[in-house]
Amino acid sequence: GAVVSQHPSWVICKSGTSVKIECRSLDFQATTMFWYRQFPKQSLMLMATSNEGSKATYEQGVEKDKFLINHASLTLSTLTVTSAHPEDSSFYICSAQGGGNTEAFFGQGTRLTVV
Amino acid sequence: AQSVTQPDIHITVSEGASLELRCNYSYGATPYLFWYVQSPGQGLQLLLKYFSGDTLVQGIKGFEAEFKRSQSSFNLRKPSVHWSDAAEYFCAVAAGGTYKYIFGTGTRLKVLA
Repeated sequence: GAVVSQHPSWVICKSGTSVKIECRSLDFQATTMFWYRQFPKQSLMLMATSNEGSKATYEQGVEKDKFLINHASLTLSTLTVTSAHPEDSSFYICSAQGGGNTEAFFGQGTRLTVV
Repeated sequence: AQSVTQPDIHITVSEGASLELRCNYSYGATPYLFWYVQSPGQGLQLLLKYFSGDTLVQGIKGFEAEFKRSQSSFNLRKPSVHWSDAAEYFCAVAAGGTYKYIFGTGTRLKVLA
């Protein structure tokens, strides 16, 4: 299957700072990328959908000014958590769809800890 | 609205025993259905998927799932569980061909030696 790489795998940051997470499709062009959030021992909740070259569409209840999503190319989407707080600590996973594939492919996830 | 229900939060089975994890979905059209497995602190691994055709789907690691439209179910089965199967299992449905996945709440599998 197609490969989606997420970086970093884990990150620790101080409260008030911003952190950027990258999601790359390595062997196909991802017309659409999705960002999910998973709290400990809970399911994955969709945060937003991004299409290359256009603004992301955020799910209800997700603060678009806090979670900045950029999908500037067909192989890269970034999620920036701005002014991070401890309650933003979570596992963030991206998925990518495109290249004629009939399913989306998931990255390995990024564990964010805000201290 | 689309939704996925996994009725069992926790399941414990003995190694070598059979396993069935339940998944029910709510979706207006023919869904794309998936089962994923997640080990602690890890990402998602696709076990199997159903788009159309044969309703009994074979996956990796000896797993299979059966799509039953009349019951809106897509239960995951394995005839003999191994200790390495202990993990969290998620059922998901793709909504409207957008590849926007809706996940169930997950079932945590514990395997007794």
